[in-house]
Amino acid sequence: AQSVTQLDSQVPVFEEAPVELRCNYSSSVSVYLFWYVQYPNQGLQLLLKYLSGSTLVESINGFEAEFNKSQTSFHLRKPSVHISDTAEYFCAVTNLGGGADGLTFGKGTHLIIQP
Amino acid sequence: NAGVTQTPKFRVLKTGQSMTLLCAQDMNHEYMYWYRQDPGMGLRLIHYSVGEGTTAKGEVPDGYNVSRLKKQNFLLGLESAAPSQTSVYFCASSPSGQEYEKLFFGSGTQLSVL
Repeated sequence: AQSVTQLDSQVPVFEEAPVELRCNYSSSVSVYLFWYVQYPNQGLQLLLKYLSGSTLVESINGFEAEFNKSQTSFHLRKPSVHISDTAEYFCAVTNLGGGADGLTFGKGTHLIIQP
Repeated sequence: NAGVTQTPKFRVLKTGQSMTLLCAQDMNHEYMYWYRQDPGMGLRLIHYSVGEGTTAKGEVPDGYNVSRLKKQNFLLGLESAAPSQTSVYFCASSPSGQEYEKLFFGSGTQLSVL
C-alpha cells in the first residue's frame, strides 16, 4: 500500500514571494503522482501530474513539481504567488498500472497568500 | 458542461435519520468513487464502483451503503446517521482504473448530523 505525507498543514506567504509545498510518498512499487487544488467551496481540480518521462512537470498557471525518486518526493513550487492562488493543495499517489480503488491523498496544505 | 453533479449541496440531519446522496456523471465513465473530506484528514475513500452493478469498499466504509444501478449514477446512503458522519462528501469519476489524470470531482455535499 502507498501513503502520502504533506508535512505542512498551512503555509502563509506574501504575495509575489516564492512558495514550496512539500509532499513525500511511500510505496514499494513505481508510482504516478498528482497535485490537486481545491478553491473554497469547490471540488478538487487536477493541477499537474507525473506519469513518466521528464521529472519536472508544469501547470498552465505557473506551478511546477519535480519527481525525486531517491528522496521519494514530489514538491510543488511557484516562483511568485498571487492572491488567487489561495486554496487547499492535495498531493496524491497511485501505484503504476493503476488500481480500482483510486488515489491515496495527503492531508492537504492550505496556502494562504498575504497581501 | 456538467461533468460530475452532486445533489444535494447541503443537508442537515438529526442522529438516526437516513438519507441518500446522488452523484451523476455525463462522461460515460466506468469508475466512480465516494470520498469524505474532514479537516486535517484529507480525502478518504468510502466506496467505489468499477462499473454498473458493481461496488466495493474503500478505506472508511462503515455506516454507508452504495448502489450503482445505472452507469451514470452512484448513490451513497446513510441508513442511520451519526454525528461522526458530519463531513463534506465528494463524488468522482474516471474512465478506468488507470486513467487518473482524467479523474473528475463533483463540487461536494456538506452534511451536518446533529
